[in-house]
Amino acid sequence: EDKVVQSPLSLVVHEGDTVTLNCSYEVTNFRSLLWYKQEKKAPTFLFMLTSSGIEKKSGRLSSILDKKELSSILNITATQTGDSAIYLCAVLPASNTGKLIFGQGTTLQVKP
Amino acid sequence: GAVVSQHPSWVICKSGTSVKIECRSLDFQATTMFWYRQFPKQSLMLMATSNEGSKATYEQGVEKDKFLINHASLTLSTLTVTSAHPEDSSFYICSATGTGPNNEQFFGPGTRLTVL
Repeated sequence: EDKVVQSPLSLVVHEGDTVTLNCSYEVTNFRSLLWYKQEKKAPTFLFMLTSSGIEKKSGRLSSILDKKELSSILNITATQTGDSAIYLCAVLPASNTGKLIFGQGTTLQVKP
Repeated sequence: GAVVSQHPSWVICKSGTSVKIECRSLDFQATTMFWYRQFPKQSLMLMATSNEGSKATYEQGVEKDKFLINHASLTLSTLTVTSAHPEDSSFYICSATGTGPNNEQFFGPGTRLTVL
């Protein structure tokens, strides 16, 4: 059965800290891995990763995929209180259904 | 960018009534829409996949007679929670995929359902 596991499930840090969120997967016929940030409403897209070893960066956030280890990390440097959210990792298999398989999410709280 | 809307954004209803939630793709045609529910501090749980013009495919454990899905056009899918009970109270989110090569999903803002 296809599965996505995130760790840690929750994390509390102080402003300025750097955090690393983990996502591992077991999926038949992997196509891509996606990271989302969810605050009060629906998830907002952060990154889509398809190729191993290529870092994607957006401001203080970056992410990389390791297909050998079947995992990805999301890094946030110099955290701010506005980074407090649930971070969701999802995998898109290569089937044509388009169904995303979500991990449990990591709840990040950044304290001032 | 692609925009997906949901209506209503929140609804409170009495136990035993039915509630309809709409999901619209505003600036693209959505071949497939997905319905999720999310309980507090938990991840999104896929309920069903909805393809325009055909019956929805429900995930295991989701009652199709309770959660009626209609995808009558390429821009609109509806989820009707029939005979709602307090345990149906949740955050319902839809997403839509277009026809691009990456099958990227665009999420609606969600609907908060509270059943009294």
